[in-house]
Amino acid sequence: AQSVTQLDSQVPVFEEAPVELRCNYSSSVSVYLFWYVQYPNQGLQLLLKYLSGSTLVKGINGFEAEFNKSQTSFHLRKPSVHISDTAEYFCAVSDSNYQLIWGAGTKLIIKP
Amino acid sequence: DGGITQSPKYLFRKEGQNVTLSCEQNLNHDAMYWYRQDPGQGLRLIYYSQIVNDFQKGDIAEGYSVSREKKESFPLTVTSAQKNPTAFYLCASGTWNTGELFFGEGSRLTVL
Repeated sequence: AQSVTQLDSQVPVFEEAPVELRCNYSSSVSVYLFWYVQYPNQGLQLLLKYLSGSTLVKGINGFEAEFNKSQTSFHLRKPSVHISDTAEYFCAVSDSNYQLIWGAGTKLIIKP
Repeated sequence: DGGITQSPKYLFRKEGQNVTLSCEQNLNHDAMYWYRQDPGQGLRLIYYSQIVNDFQKGDIAEGYSVSREKKESFPLTVTSAQKNPTAFYLCASGTWNTGELFFGEGSRLTVL
């Protein structure tokens, strides 16, 4: 069965510093990959997605992610974070039935 | 505007009472989902429906019930059989061909 691992439950980073949130998945077959962001007491919002094509995917709010098939990874990056990026970030992979399998989430904590 | 509307946003209930959470979408999506979110536990699937008049149990369906009489609506009832119903509940809808989901703003249920 497909599984998704977000290696860090929390990532503290100083404002204006770069950040990488890690995501690994288990399947070696073709998959669709997603990153969602959740601000406190709100629903989830799609940040970016990989369906096909270029392995470097650009999303909203200056985030990007790179699909690495050989390492089964889809890490999320931002070159310079802002206090408004404080949120929880979820990685998800679709299985063969197009159901999303979710990672446990990573809380991004921005230090002033 | 197209989107998903959940209501109420906050709900309090006494032990032993059933409560129904509303979820309506105008995105013309076939699939709809209910998730439960507890601190530090990510998203857990309660029920999903891929077509009107059909729905499937997710990972934690015990103590919950749903109906799908219309494409636009997927209400969730939290019954008195649910042992620990205090949580944040998220409704989502999506397309069957990629698994991408669109979320409502969530409903926070507190049992007193």
